Amino acid sequence: TQLLEQSPQFLSIQEGENLTVYCNSSSVFSSLQWYRQEPGEGPVLLVTVVTGGEVKKLKRLTFQFGDARKDSSLHITAAQPGDTGLYLCAGAPGANNLFFGTGTRLTVIP
Amino acid sequence: GAGVSQSPSNKVTEKGKDVELRCDPISGHTALYWYRQSLGQGLEFLIYFQGNSAPDKSGLPSDRFSAERTGGSVSTLTIQRTQQEDSAVYLCASSSGGGGAYEQYFGPGTRLTVT
Repeated sequence: TQLLEQSPQFLSIQEGENLTVYCNSSSVFSSLQWYRQEPGEGPVLLVTVVTGGEVKKLKRLTFQFGDARKDSSLHITAAQPGDTGLYLCAGAPGANNLFFGTGTRLTVIP
Repeated sequence: GAGVSQSPSNKVTEKGKDVELRCDPISGHTALYWYRQSLGQGLEFLIYFQGNSAPDKSGLPSDRFSAERTGGSVSTLTIQRTQQEDSAVYLCASSSGGGGAYEQYFGPGTRLTVT
């Protein structure tokens, strides 16, 4: 089983604060994705990282893939209420399945 | 173009009954996945179809669960003799290829409640 653990499980912050969400595993992944899910909808892809040490920026979101390709982080700068949702990391050990993490539920309070 | 659609959106069934959940993937997508999501939790992988290859059924929790994909398009997830612990949202996703290099496009899910 390719277990991906995310921390924290729940996070509630004020608008304008910064935050970091972590995704950790003992397994090596060929690639890792981050998704955001809003209530009543399916997850939507934010980013895919494939190279160890890779950093990708998407406006106020910064994603990093660990050098050993076992972990990843998502940093949000100046959080907005629209960032509220369930953040899921997902790792691919090979060419087939994608294993999802346990999720981080973020609430940004106006 | 149309996204992934799932039906029904909600299903309430009595314990012991069989249910069928349907997924219509994006046209042309060769890969199709089924996941289960309990309230507010992460996604639990159930089964994966890729083209004409044998499906990866390694995530199915018991032999009461089965799925098929007809003509490389529509998929049906069947749960026989439903139990209360089967209550969850069942999500379907499709992608243009298999694995983590491809974006998965998710449907809105079917919320299953077993009473």
